[in-house]
Amino acid sequence: QVQLVQSGAEVKKPGASVKVSCKASGYTFTDYHIHWVRQAPGQGLEWMGGINPNDGGTYYAQKFQGRVTMTRDTSISTAYMELSRLRSDDTAVYYCASDLLRTTCGVSWGQGTLVTVSS
Amino acid sequence: QSALTQPPSASGSPGQSVTISCTGTSSDFGGYNYVSWYQQDPGKAPKLMIYEVTKRPSGVPDRFSGSKSGNTASLTVSGLQAEDEADYYCSSYTGSSWVFGGGTKLTVL
Repeated sequence: QVQLVQSGAEVKKPGASVKVSCKASGYTFTDYHIHWVRQAPGQGLEWMGGINPNDGGTYYAQKFQGRVTMTRDTSISTAYMELSRLRSDDTAVYYCASDLLRTTCGVSWGQGTLVTVSS
Repeated sequence: QSALTQPPSASGSPGQSVTISCTGTSSDFGGYNYVSWYQQDPGKAPKLMIYEVTKRPSGVPDRFSGSKSGNTASLTVSGLQAEDEADYYCSSYTGSSWVFGGGTKLTVL
């Protein structure tokens, strides 16, 4: 079955960068876009951007332009999201999600990765 | 793009129907019918309940239905059950990005 498994929790200092991985299985990785969505504690969902694993093309929410980089390694069916210049308000659970229907920002979701930014 | 507008809370008794609205601008919906609804239990990843305004993924009970009129999409849960208590989020494709609603906490009384 389709499964997305994310890397473990991270604690970072302000100004640092974090890179979260998302390993896909159960489907052809290059056939469907991967989206990244975050959720701050007690808050709603926020779309960050997406990547086309087939050609590596990316598209980011305006809010994160210049601070986020999404990449993929097709040899291991893994997508990555790197967020730089971290601030305390970047503390959130970060989710990857695969758009298996091609008309959503996520059908199958990873378990989430908690990133804590604290001095 | 600002978030789509959802009521912060909704409630109903078991067996009743509840409708959650999701209001945006024409830009928020981008001329596409790519509106989705997600259910999220505390501490869990979101689960897709409705896509393309009205379609249900396999495994989602037909008690869940979606609709859209103008710049307002709606999720209706019929025959409420205790297990339906959760947070619900709408999302829409704007033509260049995706946007979520602020979320609605559904309480089953």
